[in-house]
Amino acid sequence: QKEVEQNSGPLSVPEGAIASLNCTYSDRGSQSFFWYRQYSGKSPELIMSIYSNGDKEDGRFTAQLNKASQYVSLLIRDSQPSDSATYLCAVNSPGGSQGNLIFGKGTKLSVKP
Amino acid sequence: DTEVTQTPKHLVMGMTNKKSLKCEQHMGHRAMYWYKQKAKKPPELMFVYSYEKLSINESVPSRFSPECPNSSLLNLHLHALQPEDSALYLCASSQEGTGWSQHFGDGTRLSIL
Repeated sequence: QKEVEQNSGPLSVPEGAIASLNCTYSDRGSQSFFWYRQYSGKSPELIMSIYSNGDKEDGRFTAQLNKASQYVSLLIRDSQPSDSATYLCAVNSPGGSQGNLIFGKGTKLSVKP
Repeated sequence: DTEVTQTPKHLVMGMTNKKSLKCEQHMGHRAMYWYKQKAKKPPELMFVYSYEKLSINESVPSRFSPECPNSSLLNLHLHALQPEDSALYLCASSQEGTGWSQHFGDGTRLSIL
């Protein structure tokens, strides 16, 4: 059973702080890793993708991947109240011609003004 | 604005009705997906079309019938649904070369009376 695990939270951080979201996955063959942000009642929005070990930065967001530990994380610097949302970790597991996204259950982030 | 367009945004139907959900993308993506999402849960994969052929059917009841008329369009035909089928239905598309990262439409909020 391929699994993606996230702490469901809620994770509460003050405005301006760094929010750290973590995710582990079970399939060692996984090659693509994604973070989606989902506001309540809205659809998931892709905010970061990472394919190789190390860090990838995009604005206030940094994704980190460690394939040996089967661990992927998302750091949000200078957190804003508008970052309050559920963050879904998704892993593309090999299978079929297009792979298959396995979602974690999501971590709810609350940024307090 | 998303590049995956879903219609209608909201749908209320009785258990004996027949209706269809529509999804369109013009990004040239060759994989398209239907997901069902209940409140406070991650998206649950229903169907995957790859190069216009059904490649994954996650044991979805036959009251849901997908159709892919061409590479840009994806339909989900609904018939004799049950109240527990009320959910947000999400369409996504993806393309090789991006790690098959999936881009979601805004979804159709479906309510079964």
